[in-house]
Amino acid sequence: NAGVTQTPKFRVLKTGQSMTLLCAQDMNHEYMYWYRQDPGMGLRLIHYSVGEGTTAKGEVPDGYNVSRLKKQNFLLGLESAAPSQTSVYFCASSYSNSGNGQYFGPGTRLTVT
Amino acid sequence: DAKTTQPPSMDCAEGRAANLPCNHSTISGNEYVYWYRQIHSQGPQYIIHGLKNNETNEMASLIITEDRKSSTLILPHATLRDTAVYYCIVRASNQAGTALIFGKGTTLSVSS
Repeated sequence: NAGVTQTPKFRVLKTGQSMTLLCAQDMNHEYMYWYRQDPGMGLRLIHYSVGEGTTAKGEVPDGYNVSRLKKQNFLLGLESAAPSQTSVYFCASSYSNSGNGQYFGPGTRLTVT
Repeated sequence: DAKTTQPPSMDCAEGRAANLPCNHSTISGNEYVYWYRQIHSQGPQYIIHGLKNNETNEMASLIITEDRKSSTLILPHATLRDTAVYYCIVRASNQAGTALIFGKGTTLSVSS
């Protein structure tokens, strides 16, 4: 079991460039999440999905889009990167949310210059 | 989510049990107690959770008091790799659309 994996691990973008972060899980979890973590800000939920083909906005969705075409994958897209999107991005997954914990990936460290 | 209170730091000798306390006196009947940890520069790691009964898994044990107002996470044989910030979270089960809210947590330092 690889658990939750994220690619890439690091990326540097110029303002205005686009990119996609990939999250994959092999635990057959229904729910998947994208968070960002900034110093002193804690985890902030960007988007989440409760099943294949469904997505929903979290607390800070602006500037990001997501897709969940397959149950095991959850993609996070930045269409036009901004310096404010410099952060560490974590993907997580869980069984349907009846009291189960969330399993996190190792993170993607993104810098936008 | 109910508020939790944890000591800011704790020390533990390698091989000894680490007992991390958490107070959650305003917990509601449908709220679970979760424990996560975050090792520096790594993603958060789920450890264990419980509702009323004590729980044990391969990583740790969770002891919840009968009135559910406090709990203790027990790492039975701490190793240097257990050095991390440990977060106690109280959360209802039906909250898929909200972020996990990590407070300041307890920084556990395990030394040889």
